[in-house]
Amino acid sequence: RKEVEQDPGPFNVPEGATVAFNCTYSNSASQSFFWYRQDCRKEPKLLMSVYSSGNEDGRFTAQLNRASQYISLLIRDSKLSDSATYLCVVNPISSGSARQLTFGSGTQLTVLP
Amino acid sequence: GAVVSQHPSRVICKSGTSVKIECRSLDFQATTMFWYRQFPKQSLMLMATSNEGSKATYEQGVEKDKFLINHASLTLSTLTVTSAHPEDSSFYICSARQPGLAGYNATYEQYFGPGTRLTVT
Repeated sequence: RKEVEQDPGPFNVPEGATVAFNCTYSNSASQSFFWYRQDCRKEPKLLMSVYSSGNEDGRFTAQLNRASQYISLLIRDSKLSDSATYLCVVNPISSGSARQLTFGSGTQLTVLP
Repeated sequence: GAVVSQHPSRVICKSGTSVKIECRSLDFQATTMFWYRQFPKQSLMLMATSNEGSKATYEQGVEKDKFLINHASLTLSTLTVTSAHPEDSSFYICSARQPGLAGYNATYEQYFGPGTRLTVT
């Protein structure tokens, strides 16, 4: 089983649609959770951290369910510029002092005009 | 946010040659940097953790003699792909963890360099 699993995608949605991505992680001791965005042939960029209480940043809402080991990202009123690959990222329990991240394989989103 | 640079952004080399990639944290000191590799349509895979002043920690399956990592200062880590082969062609990305809160509320956000696209012919 992969440490971080995401919806395979791709998601093709019209502008203005609401789209949700799901992610599950296997290590129950995981400490931190993030959503990153990666544009084609570019580096990943942090979109938002995910907190247990859920958090919102504009059109983006992230939620974490520790009991189910499940993370979600909701994008409302999607824009053409939201087209990218969204990576679910988990920081598992650390080994030594290193803080490593484990990446999901990503979900590709294309917002259509 | 913190800025991480990588150089070169793109390199094409012949099989059997070595290529050095630099990763710099521009506005903060990074005691730990990470090197990832990403093949087309796949996720980032951690290759090694680079620790300033000590040996790098390599992930299982990554040959330390082939991928030489040097973290000589708090702002620079280098990855050298030795005797490169076509199967080493990939997108190599470094990241650095910006020091944040310690303890329970420690933050683990990492900032990524723009990546280096290596093509070995």
